[in-house]
Amino acid sequence: GQQVMQIPQYQHVQEGEDFTTYCNSSTTLSNIQWYKQRPGGHPVFLIQLVKSGEVKKQKRLTFQFGEAKKNSSLHITATQTTDVGTYFCAYSGAGSYQLTFGKGTKLSVIP
Amino acid sequence: NAGVTQTPKFQVLKTGQSMTLQCAQDMNHEYMSWYRQDPGMGLRLIHYSVGAGITDQGEVPNGYNVSRSTTEDFPLRLLSAAPSQTSVYFCASSSDRYKVSSYEQYFGPGTRLTVT
Repeated sequence: GQQVMQIPQYQHVQEGEDFTTYCNSSTTLSNIQWYKQRPGGHPVFLIQLVKSGEVKKQKRLTFQFGEAKKNSSLHITATQTTDVGTYFCAYSGAGSYQLTFGKGTKLSVIP
Repeated sequence: NAGVTQTPKFQVLKTGQSMTLQCAQDMNHEYMSWYRQDPGMGLRLIHYSVGAGITDQGEVPNGYNVSRSTTEDFPLRLLSAAPSQTSVYFCASSSDRYKVSSYEQYFGPGTRLTVT
């Protein structure tokens, strides 16, 4: 079956430092979504990537989908305390009705 | 629009008790699902529905039942609660039943369940 690893599990950064989380799959993904969950909150959709090599930006957030569509990354430039939370990637297999989430990367930002 | 609503927000059960977690959405979404979230485990799919009258199992369905009699509502029933079901439960909905990974999932605020 499809296996997606999300790394790292935890990341502590000083405010102003950059942060990156990765999702790596053993098989080709049709597309991938990214979600953010603030502490005590619920997951909130950030973005979807579909095309090979796609790069999308949202202010300080940059999302990439690998050329082989087997990996994806979320990069935050100059982290702020408002970036604190857990970031999840999510995907489904071809023809599947099930959306599977990675285990998430928990980001802590030290002021 | 209220979006996705869940009740209750918190619940404590004793082992062996049963209960129903409520989920409703007012966006006319076909696809609805239930996830549980445990520390270090991410979100795991329990059951999902692609429309009224249609439900199916996800990754961790044991101990849970669902039904979908209307488009709006998707309740999750715990048949006989066990301490292993202590978790945070999220309901989610999406507008397209056929391409679940192509459309944004809208999550409810969650129900925090403790089973003693």
